[in-house]
Amino acid sequence: AQSVTQLDSQVPVFEEAPVELRCNYSSSVSVYLFWYVQYPNQGLQLLLKYLSGSTLVKGINGFEAEFNKSQTSFHLRKPSVHISDTAEYFCAVRGYSTLTFGKGTMLLVSP
Amino acid sequence: ETGVTQSPTHLIKTRGQQVTLRCSSQSGHNTVSWYQQALGQGPQFIFQYYREEENGRGNFPPRFSGLQFPNYSSELNVNALELDDSALYLCASSLTGGSYEQYFGPGTRLTVT
Repeated sequence: AQSVTQLDSQVPVFEEAPVELRCNYSSSVSVYLFWYVQYPNQGLQLLLKYLSGSTLVKGINGFEAEFNKSQTSFHLRKPSVHISDTAEYFCAVRGYSTLTFGKGTMLLVSP
Repeated sequence: ETGVTQSPTHLIKTRGQQVTLRCSSQSGHNTVSWYQQALGQGPQFIFQYYREEENGRGNFPPRFSGLQFPNYSSELNVNALELDDSALYLCASSLTGGSYEQYFGPGTRLTVT
């Protein structure tokens, strides 16, 4: 079985500051990890994914994440956030054929 | 390339009624998954269809059912609606054997009163 824990329900940050959104997972099968973003009243958009290879994964909009197998983590980072990054962020792990999501982290960027 | 579309965008139903939600997969995708996202929660897997057959199911009762059509479009049907069924229903399409990535539609917001 798979599970995802997002340790922070809400992360407030000022514009141009760095941010890290934390994600821990457990999986009984091969580990495939994803970060999705959800803007208000919209569906989910893929930010980045880890399937294999380099543990540092770069995604869209300047986001990156690092896969750490020993700590079973897949934290999302951005060196400098913008107001437009305000959204809900979901970490997900793929099981046999589907995705298990965390409860989400709301990133609130203020001027 | 056409993305995943869902209809309707919003709807309101009364407890005990039945509802059908529709999804059109992204071009070339042969697998569709449905998720329920309650307010303040992450999406929960309902079921998945591949080649018109159910290919996996989450912890949802049988009154949640689905169909996948030869053109890979899909329906989610919910019978005997309950207040707790109020949620955003998301459809995601993917290509089995591909990159494991699922592409999500904008969702249907269902309110049960």
